[in-house]
Amino acid sequence: QSVLTQPPSVSAAPGQKVTISCSRNNSNIANNYVSWYQQVPGTAPKLLIYDNNKRSSGIPGRFSGSKSDTSATLGITGLQTGDEAEYYCGIWDTSLSAVMVFGGGTKLTVL
Amino acid sequence: QVTLRESGPALVEPTQTLTLTCTLSGFSLSAPGLCVSWVRQPPGKALEWLALIDWDDDEYYSTSLKTRLTISKDTSKSQVVLTMTNMDPLDTATYYCARVHWGGYDPYCDYWGQGTLVTVSS
Repeated sequence: QSVLTQPPSVSAAPGQKVTISCSRNNSNIANNYVSWYQQVPGTAPKLLIYDNNKRSSGIPGRFSGSKSDTSATLGITGLQTGDEAEYYCGIWDTSLSAVMVFGGGTKLTVL
Repeated sequence: QVTLRESGPALVEPTQTLTLTCTLSGFSLSAPGLCVSWVRQPPGKALEWLALIDWDDDEYYSTSLKTRLTISKDTSKSQVVLTMTNMDPLDTATYYCARVHWGGYDPYCDYWGQGTLVTVSS
């Protein structure tokens, strides 16, 4: 079980908006900088968002990141069939020892 | 252009030691703020971080696997090596190496290799 909790799946129709949450078990996420990754089936993960809300090079403005004290959120607007993928959040956790942690992943289905 | 490529055996027997090599290009392992991590993904499951080595040769390991892992680098060869001892069928996974950017706030993986599938079986 990951330190980070994501919904197992989300779905929406093409052109719609979807959000994916990422919360930290038994703690708030206020002191962490969150990154988000997209993994299309059969391919390596790709960085979408870093430092909570900065888009990686080449990532369209349809993807956005935000964070409150309790959770981080990935937003995707104008959904396209090509957005269908697994999405992971990640943090650097220094609460006990310094380790990188990924969420359990969220499967996005574009209906 | 930043690229990373994993190499190593596709099949390992239980109890053996796995050695994986990540060969990179487009950046230097001694550049401040740049690191390399290993991440694995069992079939159909989530990403699991394994280890990180930074520009200053500091090493960081997964809490649950640290007794079995060793990460090292050869800057002259632009390679990072991961060894994992006492392999088990549960270690069957695609193993990725990734460049880690650690220049501002917390580190994150900005470039990934294509991954290499390692199967543990007798």
